[in-house]
Amino acid sequence: NAGVMQNPRHLVRRRGQEARLRCSPMKGHSHVYWYRQLPEEGLKFMVYLQKENIIDESGMPKERFSAEFPKEGPSILRIQQVVRGDSAAYFCASSPGAGASGNTIYFGEGSWLTVV
Amino acid sequence: GENVEQHPSTLSVQEGDSAVIKCTYSDSASNYFPWYKQELGKGPQLIIDIRSNVGEKKDQRIAVTLNKTAKHFSLHITETQPEDSAVYFCAPGDSSASKIIFGSGTRLSIRP
Repeated sequence: NAGVMQNPRHLVRRRGQEARLRCSPMKGHSHVYWYRQLPEEGLKFMVYLQKENIIDESGMPKERFSAEFPKEGPSILRIQQVVRGDSAAYFCASSPGAGASGNTIYFGEGSWLTVV
Repeated sequence: GENVEQHPSTLSVQEGDSAVIKCTYSDSASNYFPWYKQELGKGPQLIIDIRSNVGEKKDQRIAVTLNKTAKHFSLHITETQPEDSAVYFCAPGDSSASKIIFGSGTRLSIRP
């Protein structure tokens, strides 16, 4: 059973461009979380999605950032008009669902965004 | 919302000694208590977890203890080895909660 797959692993964008990060959850997992991690800092919650639904986006900046998890295909975190402060590692995690096992989440290896 | 604090933020121990990291949380509805290990350049990995109906769980050299009354749980690593050097995060949760909040992390260094 493949783990959570994120791509690209490393992405360089110029200021003002768009960054698109993809996450394929583990097989059988329908819940996806996105976290941002700045160098030497902790994991900051951004958004929690289920298939075709955003459940909680309270950690996501209201402008320039969006996330989706379509019925088919990976979850996408999209950052428009990137600025230097967006440079960070973005981690995706998935879980099998709510309930007793719902909070056991499995992380991908991250996507490192550098804005130049 | 959940307020999660980890102590200490950095910890250095001699190889072979024990390490203890404490996580304090505020939400009394929390019923799931995991610890994650993050190595440099990698994603966090679950290393041990406990649910609120037990007070302690052990897996070889690592253990987690829970004090629900005081709202804290701790990670214990015995006979530490160089490969234990990493950042450790707690993330107490409620199975009905929508988001999972992580502690600020503890950087553990093992001195040879």
